[in-house]
Amino acid sequence: QKEVEQDPGPLSVPEGAIVSLNCTYSNSAFQYFMWYRQYSRKGPELLMYTYSSGNKEDGRFTAQVDKSSKYISLFIRDSQPSDSATYLCALNRKGYNKLIFGAGTRLAVHP
Amino acid sequence: SQTIHQWPATLVQPVGSPLSLECTVEGTSNPNLYWYRQAAGRGLQLLFYSVGIGQISSEVPQNLSASRPQDRQFILSSKKLLLSDSGFYLCAWSVAGITGSEQFFGPGTRLTVL
Repeated sequence: QKEVEQDPGPLSVPEGAIVSLNCTYSNSAFQYFMWYRQYSRKGPELLMYTYSSGNKEDGRFTAQVDKSSKYISLFIRDSQPSDSATYLCALNRKGYNKLIFGAGTRLAVHP
Repeated sequence: SQTIHQWPATLVQPVGSPLSLECTVEGTSNPNLYWYRQAAGRGLQLLFYSVGIGQISSEVPQNLSASRPQDRQFILSSKKLLLSDSGFYLCAWSVAGITGSEQFFGPGTRLTVL
């Protein structure tokens, strides 16, 4: 079983839709949760960083962590064509230098 | 602010040729440094990471090696490239000594081995 599972998509939505991207994980020791956005042929860009359970909002983006279910989500409101990219979740444990990445979900927002 | 550079941006090399990819970080001291490979349509595979000059940890056995000759310089090398070495190579850094720190990525090098 992989440490982190993420549906690779692709996910295709119309402009203005609410997008939900998700990852599940198996190790309850994970405490730090990140979402990266990667445009084609570019390096990943950090979007959201959260510690432990709860929600964090930044503009149109909301990151949600449910440690009891080992489930993390990224919501994008009012999606735009410029949101078309691959979204990677990443997790870390206390005292560790290495991130564990999901495989990434490819999102396409069409006008 | 911190900046991370990688070069070259793209590279096409014949099988059996050597490789040297360079990564430098500006605006921070003693960062943790990482090399990843991303195959087409695949996730990120951690190749090497370093917590200081001359300190390299290898994650997977392979045809590649890494070195850190200076605090903010990280080099990925190979003596003889294989077809399977093709991919998108990403360098990343994180703040040392802070548990759970996020990583920041460079623009990447796209390597094609023919």
